[in-house]
Amino acid sequence: QQQVKQSPQSLIVQKGGISIINCAYENTAFDYFPWYQQFPGKGPALLIAIRPDVSEKKEGRFTISFNKSAKQFSLHIMDSQPGDSATYFCAAEGFQKLVFGTGTRLLVSP
Amino acid sequence: DTAVSQTPKYLVTQMGNDKSIKCEQNLGHDTMYWYKQDSKKFLKIMFSYNNKELIINETVPNRFSPKSPDKAHLNLHINSLELGDSAVYFCASSQVNGELFFGEGSRLTVL
Repeated sequence: QQQVKQSPQSLIVQKGGISIINCAYENTAFDYFPWYQQFPGKGPALLIAIRPDVSEKKEGRFTISFNKSAKQFSLHIMDSQPGDSATYFCAAEGFQKLVFGTGTRLLVSP
Repeated sequence: DTAVSQTPKYLVTQMGNDKSIKCEQNLGHDTMYWYKQDSKKFLKIMFSYNNKELIINETVPNRFSPKSPDKAHLNLHINSLELGDSAVYFCASSQVNGELFFGEGSRLTVL
């Protein structure tokens, strides 16, 4: 019940394309849904986050879409750039802890 | 000035040895964490401390013992290392229900 399922495991997108990563959760007690970005050799860093009272949040090229009834949320990266190549983790917070998805390795080809 | 710093960055050791990883944060956060990232990149919480008190202990073997001497420091000691302990260990800190700030990780290799 405390799992967060993330797909796809890996993704290759052409420069300028749209990258889409999906996550699903089961526990309705989760109330905060961040996305973290991790570059090789570095720790994860917060990219964008959403609370379940809104259905979408946009920051620059990054957008979270949130579907509370379906218990799903997704990250869209518009105009993907080679510098976006990294591993992306969705997460859900509840019970004083953050549960991470399994990660998506994104490669943006030049 | 690094917000969350952990040392050492790399540890290579033999099975059965004991090792420690140190973590310090200068963000003034009340909560600190240890996460384990395995070879498949899966990130799993191990422990969290709030103001030096243990809040979360995620069914981690008792060979792992965290210690928080003050709210800016959280160390991790591992006894009798096993092959399966090989991973990257991340320290993180946050305010309550706030953004997690991660260190750069400590890569542990057990031979």
